[in-house]
Amino acid sequence: SAVISQKPSRDICQRGTSLTIQCQVDSQVTMMFWYRQQPGQSLTLIATANQGSEATYESGFVIDKFPISRPNLTFSTLTVSNMSPEDSSIYLCSVPTPWGTDTQYFGPGTRLTVL
Amino acid sequence: GIQVEQSPPDLILQEGANSTLRCNFSDSVNNLQWFHQNPWGQLINLFYIPSGTKQNGRLSATTVATERYSLLYISSSQTTDSGVYFCAVEREDYKLSFGAGTTVTVRA
Repeated sequence: SAVISQKPSRDICQRGTSLTIQCQVDSQVTMMFWYRQQPGQSLTLIATANQGSEATYESGFVIDKFPISRPNLTFSTLTVSNMSPEDSSIYLCSVPTPWGTDTQYFGPGTRLTVL
Repeated sequence: GIQVEQSPPDLILQEGANSTLRCNFSDSVNNLQWFHQNPWGQLINLFYIPSGTKQNGRLSATTVATERYSLLYISSSQTTDSGVYFCAVEREDYKLSFGAGTTVTVRA
């Protein structure tokens, strides 16, 4: 299984500010994903972080609000920009195993509260 | 897009009881996974099960791909089984669509 870490684990931010979340994987992976889980809700895919090219965003998510970087095959960042209380969520990164079972593994998540 | 429906939305169990959670999906899928989200928010892989039956301790899962449903069985439930159980299906290129989840509460 892949070992995934995220920083920060939680944060409380003021509206109008931005927060950058880091995701680090212990092995090289082709694909990394960012998901959002709003309070009491299920997980929704934000975007695919592509190494060497721009991220691919799902419907309802835009680069200006959620810029993503993927400088190498083990690391990605997600920035939540110009935050509002509606951005309060858990943000999780995930990776598929690069071999075998196609199981996806998730990081521990970043719990964001916007005041 | 593909729809994923889970039932029941909530389940309250007495410790030691058995239960079945269901996941229906609207189209054929490459992959189906069951996750358990613990009270701290961590998503834990339970099963990767696009078809067939698997067992892991007190948990087992069955997917009938031709009929587009999957079942998760919890036997002899323990308080540590509490949390939210999610079914997720792979749409394309490892992108997952999640069901709304089943919140399980096991009482001692």
